[in-house]
Amino acid sequence: GNSVTQMEGPVTLSEEAFLTINCTYTATGYPSLFWYVQYPGEGLQLLLKATKADDKGSNKGFEATYRKETTSFHLEKGSVQVSDSAVYFCALSNYGGSQGNLIFGKGTKLSVKP
Amino acid sequence: NAGVTQTPKFQVLKTGQSMTLQCAQDMNHNSMYWYRQDPGMGLRLIYYSASEGTTDKGEVPNGYNVSRLNKREFSLRLESAAPSQTSVYFCASSEEPGLNQPQHFGDGTRLSIL
Repeated sequence: GNSVTQMEGPVTLSEEAFLTINCTYTATGYPSLFWYVQYPGEGLQLLLKATKADDKGSNKGFEATYRKETTSFHLEKGSVQVSDSAVYFCALSNYGGSQGNLIFGKGTKLSVKP
Repeated sequence: NAGVTQTPKFQVLKTGQSMTLQCAQDMNHNSMYWYRQDPGMGLRLIYYSASEGTTDKGEVPNGYNVSRLNKREFSLRLESAAPSQTSVYFCASSEEPGLNQPQHFGDGTRLSIL
């Protein structure tokens, strides 16, 4: 079946540090991959997406590359800010399940200290 | 733009009580979804509606019913609330069902069952 595994948090970084949040997936065929961000007290917001192998999604300084050979979609940012403190969810969308359904990882909480 | 609006934002129920969670979107989206978010579990799909007039079960439908009232509105009903249904509930919508369609989320309803 389809599943997403992402690194457990919490992750605590100092401002301007480099961020990597690992995400790997299991799926048949060619899923689409997403990163969502959830700020405290809010719903999830799409951060970036990639729809085919070797695609790179990017937004707000965050990047993730769809690696089919390693079934990974790791999230990176070169210099984090306090305002990046949030919970980050990796997700995939694939055929075989609920149409258009997203399968989420468990989330990784990021705290950035000044 | 309001996007996806959920009401209420908070609710406390006693075991056995019933309740309907409301969701409305103003983006003219065809597909709508209900998820629940539990600590350490990510988000899990309860029900979805690929288009007006259709509804289907997701991963965890037991104890819930849904109604796609019209294109804008998708409600979730708990007929007899149980403590295991204590959770944060998110409604989402997407333009179409499909692999590449990002979902737009409401801010959630925090529900406690005593």
